[in-house]
Amino acid sequence: EIVMTQSPATLSVSPGERATLSCRASQSVSSNFAWYQQKPGQAPRLLIYGASTRATGIPARFSGSGSGTEFTLTISSLQSEDFAVYYCQQYNYWPPNTFGPGTKVDIK
Amino acid sequence: EVQLVESGGGLVKPGGSLRLSCAASGFTFSQYNMNWVRQAPGKGLEWVSSISSSSRDISYADSVKGRFTISRDNAKNSLYLQMNSLRAEDTAVYYCARDSLALRGSSGYSPFDYWGQGTLVTVSS
Repeated sequence: EIVMTQSPATLSVSPGERATLSCRASQSVSSNFAWYQQKPGQAPRLLIYGASTRATGIPARFSGSGSGTEFTLTISSLQSEDFAVYYCQQYNYWPPNTFGPGTKVDIK
Repeated sequence: EVQLVESGGGLVKPGGSLRLSCAASGFTFSQYNMNWVRQAPGKGLEWVSSISSSSRDISYADSVKGRFTISRDNAKNSLYLQMNSLRAEDTAVYYCARDSLALRGSSGYSPFDYWGQGTLVTVSS
């Protein structure tokens, strides 16, 4: 089973600042990798797929990079609506489909 | 508009059973693989089970194998999760989620592009 780890667990950022979130896979998942955003009381929303492609309707301030085992989600200038929990997911191996434990981005 | 609406959650005693449903609309349900993902209170996302569009391929997380059964009725545009022998650790919000046909990766697998709002299952005496 592929294990996904995310760092940091919590990231405190001021509005307008840049946020960089990391995710690591226990073995290569190529670019079969996604990022999701989840706000309190809401379902997760697909942000990035294929490691670097923004999903429909996702603002350009969100960008993804990486391949293999190391991945990064960058939010270039945090808006108030971006404070949320972010999960990574690999879909290179199935089953199981595995998610990371999440990174909470909160207001500094 | 794609919509996934879960129902069937509630309070059940340990050892009990519950059947979750997910009603799909706004897309051709029979063409898509579907999934159940759960989230325990204050915890992260855990994939539970998947079913292919034709029901030919089914998979489960080890934590639910032998206790949960996923199924679908393409004529009714509905996905189901039969949960038996429930345990306290099954307490979670259960989401149904659609495999993205259009975003399939080189692996042949896909991220989840649409999610329902979730239904809460509480297992407690």
